[in-house]
Amino acid sequence: QVQLQESGPGLVKPSETLSLTCAVSGDSIISYYWTWIRQPPGKGLEWIGYITHSGSTNYNPSLKSRVTISVDTSKKQFSLKLSSVTAADSAVYYCARVSWFPGSSYYYLDQWGQGTLVTVSS
Amino acid sequence: DIQLTQSPSFLSASEGDRVTITCRASQGISSYLAWYQQKPGNAPKLLIYAASTLQSGVPSRFSGSGSGTEFTLTISSLQPEDFATYYCQQVNSYPWTFGQGTRVEIK
Repeated sequence: QVQLQESGPGLVKPSETLSLTCAVSGDSIISYYWTWIRQPPGKGLEWIGYITHSGSTNYNPSLKSRVTISVDTSKKQFSLKLSSVTAADSAVYYCARVSWFPGSSYYYLDQWGQGTLVTVSS
Repeated sequence: DIQLTQSPSFLSASEGDRVTITCRASQGISSYLAWYQQKPGNAPKLLIYAASTLQSGVPSRFSGSGSGTEFTLTISSLQPEDFATYYCQQVNSYPWTFGQGTRVEIK
């Protein structure tokens, strides 16, 4: 059973860089894409971007200038960096696994971490 | 970006009720749609992908249908554990986007 676990600071100062890591256990990191999703308190879900095992990325254009997602297959983890944060970046950040129907691009997020709350405040 | 609009945003229903949630896309997305259930304090859980394919382990009372711009999630007989917020997500084009959510509460 695959498990994903987010880790990182729960409090980040405005203008600084938010850094989170997602550790993957129980399955290969090679065979899937890996993504970050965020959810401001009481609000809906926003896709941040994903990374493939080979390091190719796809980012939400609304965040692209500030986002970097990277992967370390040897450590079975992937990471999120979001620069120049403001209060609007305060949210629960989820990491998730991207799977797809074989031979198609019917992607879906079938395994999620529990989420970690990041607050941007001085 | 493709906008997804769910209706209703809030739904009050009783145990045993048949419940239908609609997700409308701002442009055609074929069948590139997934549905998730989220309970307070928890991560979303995948219910359906490719518009109508039930994820392994999800009860058969959940079903999805639709293609193009209009999709539905149906719960055939609402159970106590189904009271939650439901989100649709399109994966037809980038950026992937979610609907605003439909909260299902106990009547």
